[in-house]
Amino acid sequence: QKEVEQDPGPLSVPEGAIVSLNCTYSNSAFQYFMWYRQYSRKGPELLMYTYSSGNKEDGRFTAQVDKSSKYISLFIRDSQPSDSATYLCAMRQGGSEKLVFGKGTKLTVNP
Amino acid sequence: GAGVSQSPRYKVAKRGQDVALRCDPISGHVSLFWYQQALGQGPEFLTYFQNEAQLDKSGLPSDRFFAERPEGSVSTLKIQRTQQEDSAVYLCASSPPRRVGYEQYFGPGTRLTVT
Repeated sequence: QKEVEQDPGPLSVPEGAIVSLNCTYSNSAFQYFMWYRQYSRKGPELLMYTYSSGNKEDGRFTAQVDKSSKYISLFIRDSQPSDSATYLCAMRQGGSEKLVFGKGTKLTVNP
Repeated sequence: GAGVSQSPRYKVAKRGQDVALRCDPISGHVSLFWYQQALGQGPEFLTYFQNEAQLDKSGLPSDRFFAERPEGSVSTLKIQRTQQEDSAVYLCASSPPRRVGYEQYFGPGTRLTVT
């Protein structure tokens, strides 16, 4: 079993829909949680970075962390065609620099 | 300012050839990371430098893989005697000193195809 599990999709939604992406993890030492967006043929770019359990909002994006359930989510409101990309969750242990990524979920937002 | 740059962007190698992949991090970033991303998968950690010191190489898949950052800026990932399973996108990332932030900034990657 991988340390981080993420449903690869693909996920296809109409423009304006609310999108929910999630990851589960098995390593309770993970303390830092990130969501990256990766467009085709590009490197990942950081969308959200959270440390504690709870919600963090940035514009149309909300990241949610539930450490007790080892479950993290990313919500995208009012989705746009430009949100079409692969979304990767990533995690890091305290005292470690390396990121452990999920497999990524490919999202398509249809106009 | 300029982001992380990688060269070449695409590399085709015959099985058994040696390849060298270059990463230019963002100026002032002390930490540099290499990840390998197979098709349809998330990036997997290979190795990490803080300045010129290689502090973690636990992700290097075999002794055919070697990374260096001799002057604490540009880094090279070398793969000797390439195999078909080495075909992947190799991503480089850099991050600033801890007092500034934690984000890892990724380059566009080098897509390696071994035939």
